[in-house]
Amino acid sequence: DAGVTQSPTHLIKTRGQQVTLRCSPKSGHDTVSWYQQALGQGPQFIFQYYEEEERQRGNFPDRFSGHQFPNYSSELNVNALLLGDSALYLCASSLAGTVGWGYTFGSGTRLTVV
Amino acid sequence: DAKTTQPNSMESNEEEPVHLPCNHSTISGTDYIHWYRQLPSQGPEYVIHGLTSNVNNRMASLAIAEDRKSSTLILHRATLRDAAVYYCILNNAGNMLTFGGGTRLMVKP
Repeated sequence: DAGVTQSPTHLIKTRGQQVTLRCSPKSGHDTVSWYQQALGQGPQFIFQYYEEEERQRGNFPDRFSGHQFPNYSSELNVNALLLGDSALYLCASSLAGTVGWGYTFGSGTRLTVV
Repeated sequence: DAKTTQPNSMESNEEEPVHLPCNHSTISGTDYIHWYRQLPSQGPEYVIHGLTSNVNNRMASLAIAEDRKSSTLILHRATLRDAAVYYCILNNAGNMLTFGGGTRLMVKP
């Protein structure tokens, strides 16, 4: 049973560019959350998608946007990249209504902005 | 979500028990206590969770203080594969997980 799949695994972008990261949730899961993890820190919540709508959002600017598709997969888009956006971006899937133990994380996409 | 406090790092010898503490003095009655760990170059993975009673699973045990203001994750026999950052998280809404800095566990052979 495949877990959460994220692509690409690594990415290098130039400041000012736009990037799209992709996530396929674990089979049976319908909710996708995105986290940003800077080096040496814990993951920070960006937003969560359920039923193709953003349900909850963390303290991130509008440059960060997302989408969820009918098959529950999701994309994270970041516009006007800044050097500070360099981080590991993690996708977590869960089943709606599951409290915090039900999250499955992918291995992440390492984004480097130069 | 209420805040948790964990030591930045801990060391253990291989095959010895490890007790990872977590303080959560502002925990509410409906907050579950979750533990996740993050191995190098991987995303976090679920370890264990509890509400009031001590819990055991194949990975670890969770001991919860009677007043619920602290808890301890117990690894009964640490292996080199257990070297990771361990996060103690309070959650009651099933939405976002609020990660702190966690405890970096180093296991010596």
